[in-house]
Amino acid sequence: GQNIDQPTEMTATEGAIVQINCTYQTSGFNGLFWYQQHAGEAPTFLSYNVLDGLEEKGRFSSFLSRSKGYSYLLLKELQMKDSASYLCAVRDGDYKLSFGAGTTVTVRA
Amino acid sequence: IAGITQAPTSQILAAGRRMTLRCTQDMRHNAMYWYRQDLGLGLRLIHYSNTAGTTGKGEVPDGYSVSRANTDDFPLTLASAVPSQTSVYFCASGGSHDTDTQYFGPGTRLTVL
Repeated sequence: GQNIDQPTEMTATEGAIVQINCTYQTSGFNGLFWYQQHAGEAPTFLSYNVLDGLEEKGRFSSFLSRSKGYSYLLLKELQMKDSASYLCAVRDGDYKLSFGAGTTVTVRA
Repeated sequence: IAGITQAPTSQILAAGRRMTLRCTQDMRHNAMYWYRQDLGLGLRLIHYSNTAGTTGKGEVPDGYSVSRANTDDFPLTLASAVPSQTSVYFCASGGSHDTDTQYFGPGTRLTVL
């Protein structure tokens, strides 16, 4: 099985940077995903890491260290619309995803 | 249809009743999934299907059944609903390549009284 931990809540100011950490313990690993979920909506894909290192996509970046079982999602130049839950998910060898409980990010003006 | 759809959007159901949640995708994805999302617990996998004609159990399969008669449709059935099945249900689909992500439907909010 998978055990995935991420902080429950984070608050940051508009224009700032926030880093959401995710640690995992898995019996198999085939990639790590980050999703964004606004309240009352479906999760949407943000990023994917399968090799160690940093993946950058506009204002969002995601980092993976497989040896440490650790990932983070970095949100830069925060905007009010970034207020949402961010879900860390690990994929096993059967292409099934296990999700963390999610981190709710609140952006203040 | 564009993407993945679910029906109904929401439903209030009496305990003991049978209910089928519908899910349809038009992306020709091989794999489809059903999750439930509860506050503080995140998304948990109920059942999945890697290809038409096959299904498998996820983390929380008890009380639910699925079928996959074709590529596009993946209905989830609650044979006899119980209050603990009150949740938001998301259907998702994905391709078979390593870099393929899962795409989620808009969800069904189910309340069992």
